[in-house]
Amino acid sequence: GESVGLHLPTLSVQEGDNSIINCAYSNSASDYFIWYKQESGKGPQFIIDIRSNMDKRQGQRVTVLLNKTVKHLSLQIAATQPGDSAVYFCAENKAGGGNKLTFGTGTQLKVEL
Amino acid sequence: KAGVTQTPRYLIKTRGQQVTLSCSPISGHRSVSWYQQTPGQGLQFLFEYFSETQRNKGNFPGRFSGRQFSNSRSEMNVSTLELGDSALYLCASSFGQKLYMNTEAFFGQGTRLTVV
Repeated sequence: GESVGLHLPTLSVQEGDNSIINCAYSNSASDYFIWYKQESGKGPQFIIDIRSNMDKRQGQRVTVLLNKTVKHLSLQIAATQPGDSAVYFCAENKAGGGNKLTFGTGTQLKVEL
Repeated sequence: KAGVTQTPRYLIKTRGQQVTLSCSPISGHRSVSWYQQTPGQGLQFLFEYFSETQRNKGNFPGRFSGRQFSNSRSEMNVSTLELGDSALYLCASSFGQKLYMNTEAFFGQGTRLTVV
């Protein structure tokens, strides 16, 4: 039969605008979180990470915010560019979990010119 | 330095056959993890190896197996292939025993397996 794909949330933004991608994580024991970007036909590419004892971390044009109270992560991309178009995944790693990552379902970011 | 290398990039197999996929981690990395990515299930963890020992295993049938060699290279094997095994198989390498700041996981390009 026909396979049903995951319905990826889509965020469409205008070039130059700021983008905010949200993620709810599942495990309160998770102590490390990563955002990955995946372009078509490629493997996930590391963007930015954050530890559970932090609320915010900034990189080049990107900021990750962590709210442990509601188990929520967000990725902010400043001045979004066409090259930012991709699927973005949050991933969590828990204490005692070795190097295992648990991924969210992903968000498709589309940048309109 | 070279990134994570997965071979082959593309593979077509028939139902019932078996397949072996290879992953060469970044030089110096001792941990290799495998993930399956499908449109229906997203990115799912298969297993993780560190210094030749399997440390974590995901919720996949026993047809999925893996191993790691002394040079940290890893292989995963899928026996008795089913149509539902069609997926992008991704390998990630990392340095230490626990992911943390500055010891993040880096992914390869993946092997696209199609089962017909």
